[in-house]
Amino acid sequence: AQSVTQLDSQVPVFEEAPVELRCNYSSSVSVYLFWYVQYPNQGLQLLLKYLSGSTLVESINGFEAEFNKSQTSFHLRKPSVHISDTAEYFCAVSDDYKLSFGAGTTVTVRA
Amino acid sequence: NAGVTQTPKFRVLKTGQSMTLLCAQDMNHEYMYWYRQDPGMGLRLIHYSVGEGTTAKGEVPDGYNVSRLKKQNFLLGLESAAPSQTSVYFCASSYPPQTLGEQFFGPGTRLTVL
Repeated sequence: AQSVTQLDSQVPVFEEAPVELRCNYSSSVSVYLFWYVQYPNQGLQLLLKYLSGSTLVESINGFEAEFNKSQTSFHLRKPSVHISDTAEYFCAVSDDYKLSFGAGTTVTVRA
Repeated sequence: NAGVTQTPKFRVLKTGQSMTLLCAQDMNHEYMYWYRQDPGMGLRLIHYSVGEGTTAKGEVPDGYNVSRLKKQNFLLGLESAAPSQTSVYFCASSYPPQTLGEQFFGPGTRLTVL
C-alpha cells in the first residue's frame, strides 16, 4: 500500500504571505496525486490533481502543485494567501482505485 | 444533481448501542467507500465496494459492517458502539475509468459515543 507523508501538521501564515505545504509519497511507479481541502465543518473538496503531462498543475483559486517523480513529492504552494484559505489540506495518492491520505496540514491565515 | 449525501449529520450514541449510517450517490458511480477521520491521522478507509452486492475490508474494518444492496447506496453499521468509534465518518464514490482515481466526498457524519 502507498504511504503519504505531510511534513507539517500546522502552518500559521499571515494574509498575503506565501505558503508551501509539503507532501511526499512512497511509490516509485506511476501514480495519480491529489490535494483535497477541508474548510471548517465541511467535507473534502478536490483542490487539484496530477494525472499525467505537465508536472505543474494549478487550481482556480491560485494554488499550484508540482509533481517531482525523482523526489516522490507533490508540494502545494500559493504565492499570496487570503483569510478564506484557512482550512485543512490533505495530500492523497491513488493506489489502483483506492486513495491513501496524508495526516493533513492545518493552515491558519492571520490578518 | 446532489452528488454524495450522508444521513444523519450528527449522532450521539451510548456504548453498546447500534446504528446505521446511510450514504447515497446520484452519479452512477460503481465504487463507494467509507472513511473515518480522526485528528492527526487523516482519513482511514474502513470498507469499500466495487459494485452492487460487493464489499471489502479497508484499513480499519473492525467493529463495522457494510452493505451495498443498491448501486446508489452504501450503508455503514455499528453493531455495538464503543467510545473509540467517536469520529467523523465520510462516504465517497468514484468510477475509475472516468474519474481516474478522484473520489467525490459527502459532507460527513459526526458521531459521538459516550
